[in-house]
Amino acid sequence: GQNIDQPTEMTATEGAIVQINCTYQTSGFNGLFWYQQHAGEAPTFLSYNVLDGLEEKGRFSSFLSRSKGYSYLLLKELQMKDSASYLCAVKQNQAGTALIFGKGTTLSVSS
Amino acid sequence: DAGVIQSPRHEVTEMGQEVTLRCKPISGHDYLFWYRQTMMRGLELLIYFNNNVPIDDSGMPEDRFSAKMPNASFSTLKIQPSEPRDSAVYFCASSVAGAYNEQFFGPGTRLTVL
Repeated sequence: GQNIDQPTEMTATEGAIVQINCTYQTSGFNGLFWYQQHAGEAPTFLSYNVLDGLEEKGRFSSFLSRSKGYSYLLLKELQMKDSASYLCAVKQNQAGTALIFGKGTTLSVSS
Repeated sequence: DAGVIQSPRHEVTEMGQEVTLRCKPISGHDYLFWYRQTMMRGLELLIYFNNNVPIDDSGMPEDRFSAKMPNASFSTLKIQPSEPRDSAVYFCASSVAGAYNEQFFGPGTRLTVL
């Protein structure tokens, strides 16, 4: 079956670094997405990995290991505005098909 | 660019009533997705369209749910009759085709069925 696992909640302090892990077991794999969702708002795109390795985009980086079915999102220099839910999602096919989402990790950043 | 537009933003109805949610995708996007989000189940795909044609509706929970896309700029998700367990936030998203097809989400419709 399809399964995407993420921790439910994480806490961190301003200025710190936090790593949000995601493991997946899906019938196909053609890329992994990370989305950010603030409370009461829509998910917004953060990053995309299809090959093994690290993708860096400003304070955010995302890593993928296809052989291990594992990804992580790394957030550096945390700010209060980073408090949100972070959703890991797998794209199963090359065509523009839908994503399978994990239940999300709620990150709380305190001062 | 106006982004994905959904209406209404909030809907409160009574059990047994018909509910219609509406979505206008981003112009030029050829994929449209309907998702439902709840605390218990997270974000779940209900159905998606490619060039106005339904491709996969395996996520539609029951026959009470139906979706249409009569043209490239409009889609509806209908629940008839509605039940309290249908209470959730319903998101519409759109994307272009391709290996890297970032989905753009609308603001969502928060549905409450009493």
